[in-house]
Amino acid sequence: DGGITQSPKYLFRKEGQNVTLSCEQNLNHDAMYWYRQDPGQGLRLIYYSQIVNDFQKGDIAEGYSVSREKKESFPLTVTSAQKNPTAFYLCASRVTATGNTIYFGEGSWLTVV
Amino acid sequence: GNSVTQMEGPVTLSEEAFLTINCTYTATGYPSLFWYVQYPGEGLQLLLKATKADDKGSNKGFEATYRKETTSFHLEKGSVQVSDSAVYFCALSDNRGSTLGRLYFGRGTQLTVWP
Repeated sequence: DGGITQSPKYLFRKEGQNVTLSCEQNLNHDAMYWYRQDPGQGLRLIYYSQIVNDFQKGDIAEGYSVSREKKESFPLTVTSAQKNPTAFYLCASRVTATGNTIYFGEGSWLTVV
Repeated sequence: GNSVTQMEGPVTLSEEAFLTINCTYTATGYPSLFWYVQYPGEGLQLLLKATKADDKGSNKGFEATYRKETTSFHLEKGSVQVSDSAVYFCALSDNRGSTLGRLYFGRGTQLTVWP
């Protein structure tokens, strides 16, 4: 089936460690996004990529890094510099940067212990 | 700049009641507008969309009309069900300029429907 796969679903990290969240899509979409969701705050954009080998910072990029080496993959690394990383992370994609419909993965829960 | 404002929740209704969740936006140009729904512990699912003024999006009994004159995209349903309990997000897609491809979301409105 076509869609967006995020892994892992649940992840625990010790303070000071980097962790990478995977996002893979087989929809042949050009544009991909990473959002962070905190209770009562809606979705905040971390990074987005409109095409392979290119990406832009969103509103809360500090402490995060991404890469877009392949069209189908857009991994997010949460670094130790991110002060409050415990959150629900959502990956999304759309056909092109102006394609109307955005599709979301099931999300990844990250907890810092 | 671009932004979305939606009514604060939570909203609690009895089954078969009428639902309205207000959404207004600020945008440069002519954005596309969306409503997404999120069930507990899951990602967001597209509920409906509208791409130009006066368009009406509809799905599963939900409706919203793109009103350029009032910069609004209010979500309505005539008779809610317990299964409609979820968080609803209004969003806009910037289709031009330096923020091409960006998506802007409201804070979400929690809806709980009691039997």
